[in-house]
Parts: sequence; structure tokens; C-alpha cells
Amino acid sequence: EVLLVESGGGLVHPGGSLRLSCEASGFDFTWYWMSWVRQAPGKGLEWVATIRQDGSEQYYVDSVRGRFTISSDDAKNSLYLQMNSLTVEDTAIYYCASLRFEAFAVWGQGTLVTVSS
Amino acid sequence: DIQMTQSPSSLSASIGDGVTITCRASQNIATYVNWYQQRPGKAPKLLIYSASTLQSGVPSRFSGSGSGTDFTLTISSLQPEDFATYYCQQSYSTPMYTFGQGTKLEIK
Repeated sequence: EVLLVESGGGLVHPGGSLRLSCEASGFDFTWYWMSWVRQAPGKGLEWVATIRQDGSEQYYVDSVRGRFTISSDDAKNSLYLQMNSLTVEDTAIYYCASLRFEAFAVWGQGTLVTVSS
Repeated sequence: DIQMTQSPSSLSASIGDGVTITCRASQNIATYVNWYQQRPGKAPKLLIYSASTLQSGVPSRFSGSGSGTDFTLTISSLQPEDFATYYCQQSYSTPMYTFGQGTKLEIK
């Protein structure tokens, strides 16, 4: 079974940091570009970041560039999102997703990040 | 940046009805549009990619069409499990993406 499982969410103060993880199983992780997509409470979907299969290229939405870093570890079949200088606007459910045919074909269940004082 | 505008924002329909959701891109994006369904409390699910290709396992009552700037998602005969929120997403500017704001489909 193809599966993505996120972890690492929680409550953090404004200005703080958090590292999200996403473990893949049931497919060859190294074949696919991977992304993070977030959803603020009661709001729509927002693409956050994408990484090439080999980790050589990373792309970010303007609002997180310079604060967030996407990375991957093929040996652990895992995707990461290091989030620094968090603001209340970063409060959201964060989903990892694998890209196939230029679409987000497989999604994890999401992990909630709450930024609050 | 490419903007994706969905209409309507919400829609009420009955079991068995057919419905159409529209998505308009701010520039020509050929057929680089995907559609997702999200049920409450769940992760999104890919329904259609490349404007009209049905994802494996998705019922045939779902269909997509369009090219250029105007795209539609049609559900031919609504089932109880279809009441959800639907999003379009452009992949023309890959590997950077944008979603529409969503269309909430509710039971009348």
C-alpha cells in the first residue's frame, strides 16, 4: 500500500521553529518529486514547497522562502520541512504529497502546526 | 503568478443531480489543470489530472474538460459521498503550483 505519514506538528510560539517529517512506504520514494501543501483552519489549499527526486532543486512559495527548507533522505524514505521564524499565519495542517503526472497524486493524513503565544 | 478562480464558491444539489464546477486561469495554461476532492477532516484526493484524465479508481461519473483558461469538473449523478469541497490546481508553472479557492458542494 502506498502511504505517506507526517509527524512533527505541534504548538510553537511566534518566532519559533519546528521540523516536520513525512515517511513514505509502498513506493520507490526516489522516483518522484515531493511537496508540502498546507491548509489554514477553514481555508483552502496552499502549495508550500517542492523538491526534486535527487534533492538538487527546491522551490518555495514566496511567503515561506528564506524561512522554510525542504529536504529529503532517500535512505530513510523521508521528506522534511524545517520551519523557522514562524508566524501566526503559518498555522495550518501541513500535508506531504508525491507528484505524478504533475499532480499531487498521493497525500499523507496531515500534521497540525499551531503558532500562538 | 497564475491565479485560479473557481465558481461557484458553494453549491447545493440533490442526490442524483448533475453539477458542474468551473475554474478559470489568469493566463493560458493549456491543459495543465488537476481537480481534487476533500471531505471534511480528510486529506485531498486527486480526481482528474491534465484537465480530463480520470485518476485510477475514481468513478466514471466524474469528468473534466477544458483548455486554455477555462476548465470544468462535472459530476453526472451525485452520490452521498460526493458532498465535499472541490479544488482545481494549475501545474503549468511547475514545479510551483496554485490552487483555486475551492467549491463546497452541499446537499439540498
